[in-house]
Amino acid sequence: GENVEQHPSTLSVQEGDSAVIKCTYSDSASNYFPWYKQELGKGPQLIIDIRSNVGEKKDQRIAVTLNKTAKHFSLHITETQPEDSAVYFCAASIKAAGNKLTFGGGTRVLVKP
Amino acid sequence: GAVVSQHPSRVICKSGTSVKIECRSLDFQATTMFWYRQFPKKSLMLMATSNEGSKATYEQGVEKDKFLINHASLTLSTLTVTSAHPEDSSFYICSAQRTGGDLYGYTFGSGTRLTVV
Repeated sequence: GENVEQHPSTLSVQEGDSAVIKCTYSDSASNYFPWYKQELGKGPQLIIDIRSNVGEKKDQRIAVTLNKTAKHFSLHITETQPEDSAVYFCAASIKAAGNKLTFGGGTRVLVKP
Repeated sequence: GAVVSQHPSRVICKSGTSVKIECRSLDFQATTMFWYRQFPKKSLMLMATSNEGSKATYEQGVEKDKFLINHASLTLSTLTVTSAHPEDSSFYICSAQRTGGDLYGYTFGSGTRLTVV
């Protein structure tokens, strides 16, 4: 089955700096790659996603890049703010496998004011 | 936008009792819902896929007789933890996939913190 690795597990940045989180996946059939933000005691919230026919996607301060050949994708957050502090999860999904999401291990991001 | 309501948000139960967790899609129909379990500071692990009107599909290692899933309508799926024990204490999260919509339109509930004492 699909395996998703996520790095780093923790990330501390100064307010205003950029944060980058990287994920790799194992199954080349994966075709959907969402990123979620999870705050303490809450469910994950989708912040951005990308599909396998696209290499990059941006939404204001957030961007995701996908390299299908290398089977990795990354989340970029620019101009970080304290409210960006949370746990971020990447995930991968294969349509042929019932669209089940396989999650990475998570990255705890701390933005220091 | 799509909203998924999960109840209760927190529950404490005695060892040996059963607990039911509800997952409702409030403004859309969901043929498929997913149930996850999350341990502290860990990732989400898929437990089962729930399909309206049919039996749930459980992931390897998940006891279907312990974690009963019912998806009787297009807006409601329930997870019942039977004969709960302290090791079942965890954060349970559901997600719903809109029927006939974007196949990748997953919406997550807010989670249920189960503590078994």
